[in-house]
Formats: sequence, structure tokens, C-alpha cells
Amino acid sequence: DIQMTQSPSTLSASVGDSVTITCRASQIFNNWLAWYQQKPGQAPRLLIYKASGLQNGVPSRFVGSGSGTEYTLTITSLQPDDVATYYCQQYKSYPWTFGQGTKVDI
Amino acid sequence: DVELVQSGAEVKRPGESLRISCTGSGYSFTNYWIGWVRQMPGKGLEWMGITHPHDSDTKYNPSFQGRVSMSTDKSSNTAYLQWGRLQASDTAMYYCGRVYGGNYFDYWGQGTLVAVSS
Repeated sequence: DIQMTQSPSTLSASVGDSVTITCRASQIFNNWLAWYQQKPGQAPRLLIYKASGLQNGVPSRFVGSGSGTEYTLTITSLQPDDVATYYCQQYKSYPWTFGQGTKVDI
Repeated sequence: DVELVQSGAEVKRPGESLRISCTGSGYSFTNYWIGWVRQMPGKGLEWMGITHPHDSDTKYNPSFQGRVSMSTDKSSNTAYLQWGRLQASDTAMYYCGRVYGGNYFDYWGQGTLVAVSS
């Protein structure tokens, strides 16, 4: 199985800050990575696909990048509505695996 | 609009069986894989597997294979997740999701809470 390790586990920042979440994979894959946002009490929501593709309707302040084994999700100007837990997920090979999540607070 | 609507919360005893459902609308149900994700209380997301309504091809996470079964009914655009004998450790929120291009979940159901307790 491909193991996905996210860091940090939690982060706290101010409105307007730029924050970055990192996801490291146990083996190289060709950008087959998605990022999801999960607000408390809600289902996850797709933000980014294929490492850097912005899902329709997602604000442009969410930016995905990376290659090889290291991928990042950057929120360029943190908003109060961005308080959530963020997960990466690889879909290179079965079983698909998620990172353990990063909780973002204001 | 694409929508996935899941069945309501369940409270069960250990050893009982259970089937929960996920009904899709707003798209061609037989053209997309449907997957299931577990979220235990206060924990992260775990991929359980995906199934294709067209031919019933199913990919299970080995961690769940043998404990659950996935199926679909094309006539009602519904996917099912089923347990033969529940355990207390099956207590969790279960989400279904539509798989875009065989790759990632682009739409999610609202979740079904399953509580197993004696």
C-alpha cells in the first residue's frame, strides 16, 4: 500500500495568512493525488485533483502543487470559512489511501 | 445537479446484519464507479472500496474485504454497503462518493451513521 503522511497535523493561522499543508507518499506516483476539505459535521468536498487541478466552484485561493513523493496544498489567503480538516488521497494504486488529515484553525 | 442521498442512521446490536444505501441522481448512474469511505468517531477517512454499476466490478480494500460487500441496483440508481455480522468496531460514519474517471471522489453523499452496541 502507498502510505500518505500529512504535516502538520494541526495548524493555526490568522485571516489573510498563506498556509501550506504537505503530503508525502511512501513511493513515487505521477500526480495521482486529490485534496479534500471536510468541515465539522459535513461530508468531504473535493478541492484539487491530479495534484493541481482546481475543481469547479472551488475558490482560486486553494492551490495544489508537487510531484514525485511530495505534494502541497496552499491556501493563499486564509478565510474564516476555511476552518476545516484537509485530507490528501492517492489514487495511483489500490487500495487508495488518505493522509491522516490536517486540522486548520483561525 | 449531481446528488447522492444516503439512507438514515442505524443503531444495531453486535452480530446483526445491515445494509445501507446511496441513491444517485442527476447523472448517468451506470457510467461511474461508486465508492465507500469509513470515518470512525474523531478519526480520518478510510477508503473501503469501489464498485461499478455497469458490470458489478468491485475493488475492495483488503482491510475490509470479507467483512463488507458492495453492490448496486441499476434499476433504482442505488449502491449498497452490507455487513453480515456487525461488530462494535463497525461504529462509524459511512460516506458514499461518485468516482470521476475512475480516479477520485467528485461528489459525496451526506453520510450514514452506524452505531453498534449491545
